[in-house]
Amino acid sequence: TQLLEQSPQFLSIQEGENLTVYCNSSSVFSSLQWYRQEPGEGPVLLVTVVTGGEVKKLKRLTFQFGDARKDSSLHITAAQPGDTGLYLCAGELNTGNQFYFGTGTSLTVIP
Amino acid sequence: NAGVTQTPKFQVLKTGQSMTLQCAQDMNHEYMSWYRQDPGMGLRLIHYSVGAGITDQGEVPNGYNVSRSTTEDFPLRLLSAAPSQTSVYFCASRETSGLSDTQYFGPGTRLTVL
Repeated sequence: TQLLEQSPQFLSIQEGENLTVYCNSSSVFSSLQWYRQEPGEGPVLLVTVVTGGEVKKLKRLTFQFGDARKDSSLHITAAQPGDTGLYLCAGELNTGNQFYFGTGTSLTVIP
Repeated sequence: NAGVTQTPKFQVLKTGQSMTLQCAQDMNHEYMSWYRQDPGMGLRLIHYSVGAGITDQGEVPNGYNVSRSTTEDFPLRLLSAAPSQTSVYFCASRETSGLSDTQYFGPGTRLTVL
């Protein structure tokens, strides 16, 4: 069983639409990261959140860490074709040194 | 600064063969790790190292060995390849400073075991 579940698994939207990707767990994490992965490449870190309730913004992307540090969300405003990719969340437990990745959300933004 | 490099990029093995996937980083990071990525399962941690001479098991260590003789290199060995080890393998190094916690991933090795 996956420690982190992401939803939706696939998302296809029109350019200009908004979307939210969810990352949920029953475990508490000391930190949570979001990555984007392009086909044929390794994941690239977008953001790290460490405090319950924390909100971080990266241009049109907004990341939120749940108050209980068990879940997180990624919201994209006015999606663009360049946002197309696989979005992965990854959490580190309090025991440290191991990241557990979510199942991934494959986003396609249609021009 | 090359970042994290992995070789080979592609590899086909027969069941029972052994091989070593190479990983190197030039950022002087203490922490390095190996993941495998399979469809619908995200990335799963195989082994990791918090410094030269120190390694530990991740989620899915069976069938794999690692060693860390230098800070720069972290090879992954498949002792006797099995079809279940067909996957994309990623090496990563991690920077942990006061203001930053970032994992840098290599480009991956695509392994097929027949």
